[in-house]
Amino acid sequence: GEDVEQSLFLSVREGDSSVINCTYTDSSSTYLYWYKQEPGAGLQLLTYIFSNMDMKQDQRLTVLLNKKDKHLSLRIADTQTGDSAIYFCAKGDGGATNKLIFGTGTLLAVQP
Amino acid sequence: DGGITQSPKYLFRKEGQNVTLSCEQNLNHDAMYWYRQDPGQGLRLIYYSQIVNDFQKGDIAEGYSVSREKKESFPLTVTSAQKNPTAFYLCASSIIGGTGVSETQYFGPGTRLLVL
Repeated sequence: GEDVEQSLFLSVREGDSSVINCTYTDSSSTYLYWYKQEPGAGLQLLTYIFSNMDMKQDQRLTVLLNKKDKHLSLRIADTQTGDSAIYFCAKGDGGATNKLIFGTGTLLAVQP
Repeated sequence: DGGITQSPKYLFRKEGQNVTLSCEQNLNHDAMYWYRQDPGQGLRLIYYSQIVNDFQKGDIAEGYSVSREKKESFPLTVTSAQKNPTAFYLCASSIIGGTGVSETQYFGPGTRLLVL
């Protein structure tokens, strides 16, 4: 079945850029999502990209999609301490129900 | 103030007891979902529903039950058959677009279930 993988931890200094990476196995045409989870909270949708796109930019966030390598990344420019959270990559299964397959999440720690 | 609400925020279950988690949305979304999150893991789908009075099992439905009597409500019951229920439970909803495909999912704040 579909598998989505992420690295577990990333530490950056405030003001630097953060890059969180995600790889997946299924090539079906679908949406790919980035969600943010703060401690004890639900998931907040950050951004998404359709699988026929290469890049999407939204203020400090840039999503890059390499379809050949099945690699998705989220770049956060000028990272702030408020960006400290767990970031989940998720991929739709390509079907009508758009069932999401989640990665295990990447904990981003921003050092002041 | 539109959104997805889940209650309670914390829930305690005794051995052999069934408990019900509430999920309500006023976004007029068609589809609703229940996920389970364990520490250090991603979310796993329990049940989902695309229309009132219809729902389908997800990847880990055993020990859980749901109902969808109203469009805005999708309660999840954790039964005594679920042997390891301690987890963070998240509800989500989405619209179904004109092509019949469920679109972006939005999440509620979650309910943390603990077994006594």
